[in-house]
Amino acid sequence: EVQLVESGGGLVQPGGSLRLSCAASGFTFSSYSMNWVRQAPGKGLEWVSYISSSSGTIYYADSVKGRFTVSRDNAKNSLYLQMNSLRDEDTAVYYCARVSVVTTKDMNHDAFDIWGQGTMVTVSS
Amino acid sequence: AIQMTQSPSSLSASVGDRVTITCRASQGLRNDLGWYQQKPGKAPKLLIYAASSLQSGVPSRFSGSGSGTDFTLTISSLQPEDFATYYCLQDYSYPRTFGQGTKVEI
Repeated sequence: EVQLVESGGGLVQPGGSLRLSCAASGFTFSSYSMNWVRQAPGKGLEWVSYISSSSGTIYYADSVKGRFTVSRDNAKNSLYLQMNSLRDEDTAVYYCARVSVVTTKDMNHDAFDIWGQGTMVTVSS
Repeated sequence: AIQMTQSPSSLSASVGDRVTITCRASQGLRNDLGWYQQKPGKAPKLLIYAASSLQSGVPSRFSGSGSGTDFTLTISSLQPEDFATYYCLQDYSYPRTFGQGTKVEI
């Protein structure tokens, strides 16, 4: 079964750090780019970060740039998000999502086709 | 960053109704847009990619259309299990941006 399972969430004080993990199974992890997406309580979805299959290309949302670091270990089929200098507004459920590149009419499109169940991060004193 | 404006923010409909949700981009996206369904307490699910291509396993009552700046998700005959929030997501450029969501209440 194709699956993504996040872990590492919890309660942390403002200014603290946390490392999230996303374990992949059922597919060739090293062939896929990955994303982190978050959702604050009662709010909409917010894209956080992207990492290519080889880690050669990485992007961040402005809201986390300089504080969060995305990485992956293809040998361990795992994706990570190191979160430093956490703020109250980082409180959210964090999802990892696989990117499948689909081609239509000679154009490539990114589809977030597999998602994990999410892990809750609460930043509070 | 590209801004995605989704409307309406919520709607109430009955089983069997035709429902239309729109997403407008602040700049042209070609057809680099997807639609996602999220049920309470669950992860989002891909419905449509490339603006109009139906993801495998998704019922054919869901369809997408549009290109450039204006996109539409249509549910042709609403079913009870379609109660959910729907989001558009542009995959034209980084940072990726979602619409603010449309909550569909039955």
